[in-house]
Amino acid sequence: QEQLVESGGGVVQPGRSLRLSCAASGFTFSSYGMHWVRQAPGKGLEGVAVIWYDGSKKYYADSVKGRFTTSRDNSKNTLYLQMNSLRAEDTALYYCGRYSGTYRAIDYWGQGTLVTVSS
Amino acid sequence: QSALTQPASVSGSPGQSITISCTGTSSDVGGYNYVSWYQHHPGKAPKLMIYEVSNRPSGVSNRFSGSKSGNTASLTISGLQAEDEADYFCSSYTSSTSEVIFGGGTKLTVL
Repeated sequence: QEQLVESGGGVVQPGRSLRLSCAASGFTFSSYGMHWVRQAPGKGLEGVAVIWYDGSKKYYADSVKGRFTTSRDNSKNTLYLQMNSLRAEDTALYYCGRYSGTYRAIDYWGQGTLVTVSS
Repeated sequence: QSALTQPASVSGSPGQSITISCTGTSSDVGGYNYVSWYQHHPGKAPKLMIYEVSNRPSGVSNRFSGSKSGNTASLTISGLQAEDEADYFCSSYTSSTSEVIFGGGTKLTVL
């Protein structure tokens, strides 16, 4: 059974860093591209970052470009999001999702981890 | 402001049908048959309900159906049940580098 579990969220001061993890199980992690998606309080979903199945390509939303970096360790079935220079507007529930090339959509999501940027 | 436009809320009584719209552009919804719909109960992982505009993954009730006309996609839920009460959001493949964009979400209330 496919499962994604995010961790690493918390309360952090503006300008500081945080690293999120997404542990995958129940499927061949190394065969899938992965997404990070966030939802700020009262807002819709925003795609944050995408990483190819082998890590060869990465894309970022303009709002996080230069501050956030996504990576993956296929030997550990784990996806990462390194978030630097955090701002108040980065406060959100962060989800990881598995991208299905067949469906052209994210077909499995985690439950999310909450990041709060506040002084 | 989300990339795809959805109504903030819809409501219906048990047994009725409701439709949620999702409006984009010719670069996303209108240009590809890769629109998906998700059901999201707060605190839980979103669940894929519809993919490729109108297809249901295995295990999803046939009360859920999808369609598209031009730049607007729609999700219809027939025979509303109390457990259908949730947030619903759409997504679409896009020609931009992010590959997937999302709607703002619609809160469905079952009266």
